[in-house]
Amino acid sequence: SSELTQDPAVSVALGRTVWITCQGDSLRSYYPTWYQQKAGQAPVLVIFGQNHRPSGIPDRFSGSSSGNTASLTITGTQAEDEADYFCVSRDSSGDHVVFGGGTKLTVL
Amino acid sequence: QVQLQQWGAGLLKPSETLSLTCAVYGGSFSGYYWSWIRQPPGKGLEWIGEITHTGSTNYSPSLKSRVAISVDTSKNHFSLKLNSVTAADTAVYYCARALLTEGSWGQGTLVTVSS
Repeated sequence: SSELTQDPAVSVALGRTVWITCQGDSLRSYYPTWYQQKAGQAPVLVIFGQNHRPSGIPDRFSGSSSGNTASLTITGTQAEDEADYFCVSRDSSGDHVVFGGGTKLTVL
Repeated sequence: QVQLQQWGAGLLKPSETLSLTCAVYGGSFSGYYWSWIRQPPGKGLEWIGEITHTGSTNYSPSLKSRVAISVDTSKNHFSLKLNSVTAADTAVYYCARALLTEGSWGQGTLVTVSS
């Protein structure tokens, strides 16, 4: 399968921990990359590889993966983390790239 | 720090060819995958395809019959062509370097297909 599946929407109380998941067969072979996208802006990479954060991304963002499921964890969620989050990886063939449908995170 | 600046026609009629170019400033072309991605209004991200500095390409299976990505290393830019556009191709189109490991993106170009 070449699909990555995400929950359409997740909510979290300010300061709490939230897990955003991504499922797909290709995740058994490839770590996903996670992007944050705020309204009207280009996506920003927050996690790639096993659990790597680019410079400037707060350490409250982390990633994990097991089997066909990967998670983006935000610990101590801040109001500015409210955004859409997308997972993306190579498909099982390795020749194509596939995005998850995205998860809209609401911070209560 | 690499910067990607993209341009191209923003309004097309059905059946015309979409053409966008992405220029790369302050970075190398070698050793990276250069991608095009699009996002219809209010919807998620869709990968269109990628190219290496040697011209090796991969395309989305759903768009492969209509898309071509090319690179001109002498000008430090790469380009997207999508032919026979329809209203379903209306989207913000982005170029990106190293989509899966670095994520340097262009500013995005809204392309509207309307008669």
